[in-house]
Amino acid sequence: QVRLVESGGGVVQPGRSLRLSCVASGFTFGSYGMHWVRQAPGKGLEWVALMWLDRSDMYYADSVKGRFTISRDNSKNMLYLQMNSLRVEDTAVYYCGRAFHDNGWYVDFWGQGSLVTVST
Amino acid sequence: SYVLTQPPSVSVGPGRTARLTCGGDNIGSKSVHWYQQKPGQALVLVVSADSDRPSGIPERFSGSNSGDTATLSISRVEAGDEADYYCQVWDIYTEHVVFGGGTKLTVL
Repeated sequence: QVRLVESGGGVVQPGRSLRLSCVASGFTFGSYGMHWVRQAPGKGLEWVALMWLDRSDMYYADSVKGRFTISRDNSKNMLYLQMNSLRVEDTAVYYCGRAFHDNGWYVDFWGQGSLVTVST
Repeated sequence: SYVLTQPPSVSVGPGRTARLTCGGDNIGSKSVHWYQQKPGQALVLVVSADSDRPSGIPERFSGSNSGDTATLSISRVEAGDEADYYCQVWDIYTEHVVFGGGTKLTVL
């Protein structure tokens, strides 16, 4: 079965960097796009980034563009999110999700999430 | 940017039908997807592409989409259906995924 497990979250000071990882199993990782989606405490879902099958196409939310970078290593079934210049408002649970396309992209399987807290 | 509007909360009695709406400008021209979020559990896709039900999702869950409103219907509501539900579209113009604000379904 499809399994996605995030790691790398923690407490970090504003302005610092953090890298999240997501290991995938149960499917051919290189055949799927992948998303990052976040959820601030007590708030709704906010899409962060999408990477297509290879590294040819990447899309970012306006709130993170220029600060966050999505990447993947298909040989290791790994998805990453490099987060630089972190802000207090980036505090959230970050979920990786498998991307599916049917007249538009969506998430067909989700991980359990990794909590990132940006605080002094 | 494209905006999806969901009512913050919906309450329904057990055994009744819950209808959760998702409003957006001409949303009927887009493909709408719905997710269920229960505390401590992974998010689950319950309806894709307006009305398709993924494997393992009960037939009680159905979707429709027309005009400016998409609807997730849950028939014969059970206590276990209590959760937050989010609608989502792909905005082809901004190439962004857009989520609605979510609706908390309470089973009375």
